[in-house]
Amino acid sequence: QQQVKQSPQSLIVQKGGISIINCAYENTAFDYFPWYQQFPGKGPALLIAIRPDVSEKKEGRFTISFNKSAKQFSLHIMDSQPGDSATYFCAASMRTGFQKLVFGTGTRLLVSP
Amino acid sequence: DVKVTQSSRYLVKRTGEKVFLECVQDMDHENMFWYRQDPGLGLRLIYFSYDVKMKEKGDIPEGYSVSREKKERFSLILESASTNQTSMYLCASTFRGGGEAFFGQGTRLTVV
Repeated sequence: QQQVKQSPQSLIVQKGGISIINCAYENTAFDYFPWYQQFPGKGPALLIAIRPDVSEKKEGRFTISFNKSAKQFSLHIMDSQPGDSATYFCAASMRTGFQKLVFGTGTRLLVSP
Repeated sequence: DVKVTQSSRYLVKRTGEKVFLECVQDMDHENMFWYRQDPGLGLRLIYFSYDVKMKEKGDIPEGYSVSREKKERFSLILESASTNQTSMYLCASTFRGGGEAFFGQGTRLTVV
């Protein structure tokens, strides 16, 4: 119930294309859904986050789509660029308790020039 | 510029050694976390602390302990290092109410 399932494990997209990464969860008590971006040799950094009271959040080329009934959320990267090549992690946490983040297994994105 | 700083980028230790990984944050965060990152497994929570001297087990605490004597510092201790503890270790911190987690750059530990 605490798991967050992420797919695909790896993704290759051409420059200018759309990258889509999907996550699913079981625990309906989760109420905060962030995406983290990690470059080689660095720690993960928050990219964008959403709460379940909205179905979509957009920041520049990055969009989170959230489907509460299906318990799924996804990251869309529009006009993907080589600089977007990184590992992406979805995560979820609950407002109650200690707000621990539960992470997905990660997606390694490669944007080819 | 807010920071979470881990004391070492790379460590090589021998089996059976006691290993200390140190983490310091300068954001006055109440919550601090230790994660382990392995390919295909994502980030798995080892231990976390929500206050000085307070600690809670995460999902994979076996073989690890932690110490938080000051608010800004959170240490991960491998009592007797084993080869299956070879991994990337990440420290993170958040405010008490959760929200954005700030991560250190990671410590790549190799146990030989």
